[in-house]
Amino acid sequence: AQKVTQAQTEISVVEKEDVTLDCVYETRDTTYYLFWYKQPPSGELVFLIRRNSFDEQNEISGRYSWNFQKSTSSFNFTITASQVVDSAVYFCALSEEDRGSTLGRLYFGRGTQLTVWP
Amino acid sequence: NAGVTQTPKFRVLKTGQSMTLLCAQDMNHEYMYWYRQDPGMGLRLIHYSVGEGTTAKGEVPDGYNVSRLKKQNFLLGLESAAPSQTSVYFCASRAGRAQLQPQHFGDGTRLSIL
Repeated sequence: AQKVTQAQTEISVVEKEDVTLDCVYETRDTTYYLFWYKQPPSGELVFLIRRNSFDEQNEISGRYSWNFQKSTSSFNFTITASQVVDSAVYFCALSEEDRGSTLGRLYFGRGTQLTVWP
Repeated sequence: NAGVTQTPKFRVLKTGQSMTLLCAQDMNHEYMYWYRQDPGMGLRLIHYSVGEGTTAKGEVPDGYNVSRLKKQNFLLGLESAAPSQTSVYFCASRAGRAQLQPQHFGDGTRLSIL
């Protein structure tokens, strides 16, 4: 079973629109960590944000904001006033507690391709 | 400010050939990982290491071997390449048990097996 589900495979918006990327996760641990990474067309993976399971405060960083809701096991990502440079694949990832079989590995969703048109 | 460096960046192999991908990190990180990325699949863990001299299997280890002889280096080997191993390979590292610390990724190696 997929531990991280990103149901939106592709999203297209026009510049200046707001867009929300959905992420739903599954874990039995009470302590876990959530991440978002950006993969621009150049291919590298860029870390955007991390959140631990005990911190449900939403976070805003410039045009980016994240909404973490444990009740719905979701960690959604919103880009406000999108720009062409936001075009990329965005990955949500989960890390569970360190233990012998997992040791900090990241479980990735399949990614959402965001295209922002001028 | 190197971070995680992967070599080579691109490679084309013929079926049955062998090769080694090198990952080097200069952040003194304990944990290192190898992932593969395939279209529509996200990243999947191949092998990982929690310290010099230790390695362990991840989600998709078949057809690969790894070694961590030095703390800063994590090698991924393909003994007999198969077309199914055509993929983009990413190496990552993380500082020990500090789970809130993100994994730092290399720029990837694009590997094609003909």
